[in-house]
Amino acid sequence: NAGVTQTPKFQVLKTGQSMTLQCAQDMNHNSMYWYRQDPGMGLRLIYYSASEGTTDKGEVPNGYNVSRLNKREFSLRLESAAPSQTSVYFCASSGRAGTGELFFGEGSRLTVL
Amino acid sequence: KQEVTQIPAALSVPEGENLVLNCSFTDSAIYNLQWFRQDPGKGLTSLLLIQSSQREQTSGRLNASLDKSSGRSTLYIAASQPGDSATYLCAVLNDYKLSFGAGTTVTVRA
Repeated sequence: NAGVTQTPKFQVLKTGQSMTLQCAQDMNHNSMYWYRQDPGMGLRLIYYSASEGTTDKGEVPNGYNVSRLNKREFSLRLESAAPSQTSVYFCASSGRAGTGELFFGEGSRLTVL
Repeated sequence: KQEVTQIPAALSVPEGENLVLNCSFTDSAIYNLQWFRQDPGKGLTSLLLIQSSQREQTSGRLNASLDKSSGRSTLYIAASQPGDSATYLCAVLNDYKLSFGAGTTVTVRA
């Protein structure tokens, strides 16, 4: 069972470059989330999508955009990468918006030079 | 704003000892609380989910309790094994937003 799949797993960017992190889930979940994990700061919510067609800002949305392409896919875009965006990014999904158990992908490690 | 704290940040125990991991949160108006396990370089694996109306959940050697009024949860792992070595994170859900603690890194010595 694939669950939540993220691509790419590793990426190195130069300051100012753009890129998109892709996430897909095969559990027919309604809600999807993007988190970043930084040492000593835990996981912080960037954006979430409670259902197909909706997106909302989380705790740290600045510098990011998202697209809920369909029920399965939720992408995160960095338009102009900055060193402060060096982090590990996790996508997650949940069957029930706001109340359900979250399932996480393996993470995407991004380094911005 | 919800603040989630996990103490201790790290724990080392000999194999066979019971583990007690603590999680506290500031806003008691939560929908649920989840405990996750994270292995180095990996994603998060859900261990237990406790709904706000529940007091505890059990799965095998794992037992998690929830006291909403005092803003506390405890994860108990019985008879620890080296394979239990990992970082354990708790997270509380308020209004679609899951707030995480920084985690407790556990080492079980053989």
